[in-house]
Amino acid sequence: AQRVTQPEKLLSVFKGAPVELKCNYSYSGSPELFWYVQYSRQRLQLLLRHISRESIKGFTADLNKGETSFHLKKPFAQEEDSAMYYCALRVNAGNMLTFGGGTRLMVKP
Amino acid sequence: EPEVTQTPSHQVTQMGQEVILRCVPISNHLYFYWYRQILGQKVEFLVSFYNNEISEKSEIFDDQFSVERPDGSNFTLKIRSTKLEDSAMYFCASSTGTGMAGYTFGSGTRLTVV
Repeated sequence: AQRVTQPEKLLSVFKGAPVELKCNYSYSGSPELFWYVQYSRQRLQLLLRHISRESIKGFTADLNKGETSFHLKKPFAQEEDSAMYYCALRVNAGNMLTFGGGTRLMVKP
Repeated sequence: EPEVTQTPSHQVTQMGQEVILRCVPISNHLYFYWYRQILGQKVEFLVSFYNNEISEKSEIFDDQFSVERPDGSNFTLKIRSTKLEDSAMYFCASSTGTGMAGYTFGSGTRLTVV
């Protein structure tokens, strides 16, 4: 069965510092990987997906199949980036998403 | 921008009572989902629904749970006899198809079983 691991429950950085939110997955096939963000008391919003290779709000993520990782990065954190970030995986068959445990990012002024 | 709407935002129910959580998916979406998140834990898949039947379900989705699309707009999750451990945030989502296009989550219903 597939699994997604986000090793850090909390990541605290100062404004302007680089950010890397780690995500590792286990799945024998070729999954699709996503990052979702949840701002305080709001819904889960899709931030990135690996197939689109786009940058949203300055965030990027590269799928590393060798290391089975999909870390989320931003060179300069902003206070408005403070939120919960969830890495998620979707296998080729079916629509269900498997989520990691989430990382709370706190960006201090 | 179209939204998935969930009601109520917070529901308190007594243990053993039946509860129905309601969702209005985006109108042109064909796939519907329920997820839950127990406080402090990860978001977990419960069930997906397509063409008026369940297409996938997790082991959490036991006989106490059922889903229904009673009309053209609502998608409901029923918990037949609630237990304390059913207390969680329940998220509805919908999508256009097997791809990720428009996979959109609702803002959730917080269910508290007392």
